[in-house]
Amino acid sequence: KNEVEQSPQNLTAQEGEFITINCSYSVGISALHWLQQHPGGGIVSLFMLSSGKKKHGRLIATINIQEKHSSLHITASHPRDSAVYICAVGNTGNQFYFGTGTSLTVIP
Amino acid sequence: DTGVSQNPRHKITKRGQNVTFRCDPISEHNRLYWYRQTLGQGPEFLTYFQNEAQLEKSRLLSDRFSAERPKGSFSTLEIQRTEQGDSAMYLCASSLVGAVYGYTFGSGTRLTVV
Repeated sequence: KNEVEQSPQNLTAQEGEFITINCSYSVGISALHWLQQHPGGGIVSLFMLSSGKKKHGRLIATINIQEKHSSLHITASHPRDSAVYICAVGNTGNQFYFGTGTSLTVIP
Repeated sequence: DTGVSQNPRHKITKRGQNVTFRCDPISEHNRLYWYRQTLGQGPEFLTYFQNEAQLEKSRLLSDRFSAERPKGSFSTLEIQRTEQGDSAMYLCASSLVGAVYGYTFGSGTRLTVV
């Protein structure tokens, strides 16, 4: 079993839809990151969370430490949101565990 | 540009050749990490440095792989006698000691072994 599990693996949405990507983890963490990776491109860090909720533009990330679960929400999705979204958790030993990613395609 | 810089962005090489990648971290970051990402998978840890010291190596890092950070600034990752299975995205990240905050990734080097 992977330390970090993401769902769904693949997601196709119509432009304008509300999108949720889920991440569950089994290790103790100091922080959780949501990362975005475009095809052929590098990784961009979207959020770093240790508790509660953060919002940036149309993106919202939440974390429930007790349940070891985080969600990434995209409101009013747009084709440019099409990318792979990766959940990564870091522990106090500076070790990071990555989910396998959720591939999102937003259709105009 | 104050981000993590990786060169080259893309590398195509013939099987059996040696390749070297470079990572320039954020200047004040004293930790530097290398990860490998194959298609459809999340990044896998390879090794990390604190300043110039290589503190941990994954068993994924076979004898054909070597990484250095000679002056505690930039790092190089060399793969000798490349194999087709080495084809992947090689990612570099940097951070400050003891912090998972400000953990910054580079854009990666995509290696294709033909």
